[in-house]
Amino acid sequence: NAGVTQTPKFQVLKTGQSMTLQCAQDMNHEYMSWYRQDPGMGLRLIHYSVGAGITDQGEVPNGYNVSRSTTEDFPLRLLSAAPSQTSVYFCASSAPDRDETQYFGPGTRLLVL
Amino acid sequence: AQSVTQPDIHITVSEGASLELRCNYSYGATPYLFWYVQSPGQGLQLLLKYFSGDTLVQGIKGFEAEFKRSQSSFNLRKPSVHWSDAAEYFCAVLNEGGTSYGKLTFGQGTILTVHP
Repeated sequence: NAGVTQTPKFQVLKTGQSMTLQCAQDMNHEYMSWYRQDPGMGLRLIHYSVGAGITDQGEVPNGYNVSRSTTEDFPLRLLSAAPSQTSVYFCASSAPDRDETQYFGPGTRLLVL
Repeated sequence: AQSVTQPDIHITVSEGASLELRCNYSYGATPYLFWYVQSPGQGLQLLLKYFSGDTLVQGIKGFEAEFKRSQSSFNLRKPSVHWSDAAEYFCAVLNEGGTSYGKLTFGQGTILTVHP
């Protein structure tokens, strides 16, 4: 199993550009989520999904969109990037009915100029 | 709402010394608690977790943590620190019920520096 994979590893955007951060997992996990990590603030939940077709907002959802068309994939979209979205983004997945542990991807480092 | 506090932003210890990282949580029910470690430029790796049962849990890399309900704490310990333990450590609590099911709430993190 590859676990949780994320692409790209690093991205530079200009203000106003759009992009999609990809996340995939091969563990058949129902639950997937996106976090952003900023210095001194830990990880904050952006959006999450409890299954294909079901998504909901987390703590800091503004400026981000998500969709979940398959169990495996959970892309995060930035429609119009802002410097405040400069951060490291982590995707995670879990199977709450089997194991409460969330497994994290390696992260995407995003710089918005 | 649930919250997690890690009072120490940065801790420095000498190699071979003992370590304790503090974590306090606020949660209405019996919490599911986790400690994750993040090496520089890396993702998060699970060190250990507490769901129920024995309040002293063992994890990987020689770490252990003790759940104390009366103090709302879940402190991480290691008897003898190695230079490779230098990293950032995160405590987290899992939401179990309602619309927050499956959400993790993280503390701010503690950066560990190890001196030779």
